[in-house]
Amino acid sequence: DQQVKQNSPSLSVQEGRISILNCDYTNSMFDYFLWYKKYPAEGPTFLISISSIKDKNEDGRFTVFLNKSAKHLSLHIVPSQPGDSAVYFCAARSYTGNQFYFGTGTSLTVIP
Amino acid sequence: DVKVTQSSRYLVKRTGEKVFLECVQDMDHENMFWYRQDPGLGLRLIYFSYDVKMKEKGDIPEGYSVSREKKERFSLILESASTNQTSMYLCASSLLGNYGYTFGSGTRLTVV
Repeated sequence: DQQVKQNSPSLSVQEGRISILNCDYTNSMFDYFLWYKKYPAEGPTFLISISSIKDKNEDGRFTVFLNKSAKHLSLHIVPSQPGDSAVYFCAARSYTGNQFYFGTGTSLTVIP
Repeated sequence: DVKVTQSSRYLVKRTGEKVFLECVQDMDHENMFWYRQDPGLGLRLIYFSYDVKMKEKGDIPEGYSVSREKKERFSLILESASTNQTSMYLCASSLLGNYGYTFGSGTRLTVV
């Protein structure tokens, strides 16, 4: 059973606009969340994280929002750039667990 | 620059062959992981290890085994390769506190 879900397999956005990628989880024990970015034929690279004690974390053009009551997190990219075109995975971990659980990914295309 | 290195970027093997995928990290990380990535299924954990000679099954261990004889090296073994094991295989490592993974570049395995 998928504990972390990304319900949008793909997203297209114009350059300069905001990209919003969504992620839902089912396990209320999850306390730490990550976003990874993956280009074809490469391994995922870490983008941004958020702990459950926060509801927002910002790093340059990237902001992650966490809504614990809704078990939902989102990644905002603003402004979007063509180089942001990639697959984005969210991941979650519980404080008792050894592993991160990954979503199925959202393929973002930023149109110049 | 810290690294997770996977020995092959692309492999083509025949059905029934024994296949070894090698992963080496130079960060002195305790945890190491093997995932496979398939379209629409995201990243699925095959096996992980939190110490030398220790291993734990992930979500999809069937048809695979692993070996961790040294801290820096984690090998994935396909005992008898089958076509449904055609996939992108990703190795990752993390510190014991597990605040995020560093991934290798991946191995694209095709079983014919």
